[in-house]
Amino acid sequence: GAGVSQSPSNKVTEKGKDVELRCDPISGHTALYWYRQSLGQGLEFLIYFQGNSAPDKSGLPSDRFSAERTGGSVSTLTIQRTQQEDSAVYLCASSLVRGYYGYTFGSGTRLTVV
Amino acid sequence: SQQGEEDPQALSIQEGENATMNCSYKTSINNLQWYRQNSGRGLVHLILIRSNEREKHSGRLRVTLDTSKKSSSLLITASRAADTASYFCATDDLQGAQKLVFGQGTRLTINP
Repeated sequence: GAGVSQSPSNKVTEKGKDVELRCDPISGHTALYWYRQSLGQGLEFLIYFQGNSAPDKSGLPSDRFSAERTGGSVSTLTIQRTQQEDSAVYLCASSLVRGYYGYTFGSGTRLTVV
Repeated sequence: SQQGEEDPQALSIQEGENATMNCSYKTSINNLQWYRQNSGRGLVHLILIRSNEREKHSGRLRVTLDTSKKSSSLLITASRAADTASYFCATDDLQGAQKLVFGQGTRLTINP
């Protein structure tokens, strides 16, 4: 597609429920990143996928968070047993070649845990 | 952990004036990038400057990089109301880390 697509754009869930957030990167972009941003804060790195290499999961805050990328394209971020502190905007970005081009970000998913 | 730190945290100027934002970082870098964010949603890539470059221009934007001081600045000339946004610097670490590390951002307000 023309840009990075994220769905849903907004998600309200009850504490303890599981949620899945989807990211569809730009076609041909081999690098895909997930970040989250709390209100008025900077971006916190979560996970990075590059081609068929093992993902860099060093930013995942707990074992309740997981992500996968199928076929080198679409990625899903799953949060199990959501907590109120998980409320944030979750941003996905893709890049053609790391280190030479900037990232293209999606519009994000605003997650609210009540 | 956050690597880039923007300064100031907030900046308010009159339309037509120039806006300067600064970014400091801690480690050796491959490149440094600036992004703009409107309304707390997706970020837009503005400019990328490599570690062997000292200055780069794009339209009304001018970015400088001083690797000896581990700092960068973003200058927006002849500001417009539409420039109102948050601006973030992000560093691409040379230490093998495979992701950009973002600062906390500068909130820029352009008053008409």
